[in-house]
Amino acid sequence: DTGVSQDPRHKITKRGQNVTFRCDPISEHNRLYWYRQTLGQGPEFLTYFQNEAQLEKSRLLSDRFSAERPKGSFSTLEIQRTEQGDSAMYLCASSLAQFATNEKLFFGSGTQLSVL
Amino acid sequence: AQSVSQHNHHVILSEAASLELGCNYSYGGTVNLFWYVQYPGQHLQLLLKYFSGDPLVKGIKGFEAEFIKSKFSFNLRKPSVQWSDTAEYFCAVIGGGYQKVTFGTGTKLQVIP
Repeated sequence: DTGVSQDPRHKITKRGQNVTFRCDPISEHNRLYWYRQTLGQGPEFLTYFQNEAQLEKSRLLSDRFSAERPKGSFSTLEIQRTEQGDSAMYLCASSLAQFATNEKLFFGSGTQLSVL
Repeated sequence: AQSVSQHNHHVILSEAASLELGCNYSYGGTVNLFWYVQYPGQHLQLLLKYFSGDPLVKGIKGFEAEFIKSKFSFNLRKPSVQWSDTAEYFCAVIGGGYQKVTFGTGTKLQVIP
């Protein structure tokens, strides 16, 4: 499968623990996005990268959230000191677009986080 | 800041009925608009997009959307829905230059055979 892959698919953790998710985009895709989705809501923007540069991070995100894309390929999203409110599906998407006019996001299956 | 509103959260239709899902965006400048669809158990995928030119955009599976700049709207339509159209539909926008993609809250469509 050459699509966007995310690992793990499911993560159950206790409140206060740290968790890290990984996203492998489609090869050569330069943009990589992280979104969070809860039941009944659309994907909520978290952050995105153009190659290895993090272009924007949502102001809604606390300092407990951090993301990296060190070599412009895979990305990791870390949540420190998890809270029950962090329970959600975390989606990764990538694209090869150079301009907004040909933007097309390819999504992974997501990581379902449950904080107990 | 760009934002998207979808007012219909849950729509139930019988097969062959016509569909129109509302989408309004908030951004004063040039926009690129999208509809994404998520079928049960599948990834989000692009249905159609608008970036310039003809405001009536045709996508896959008989869907179309019309960009009305004066109303800040990009409604999705299909003349005759099928049971296989049961899915969640998300409107999205890129405002100004090449910024991030912002999604609406989604509309769940249930088509009854």
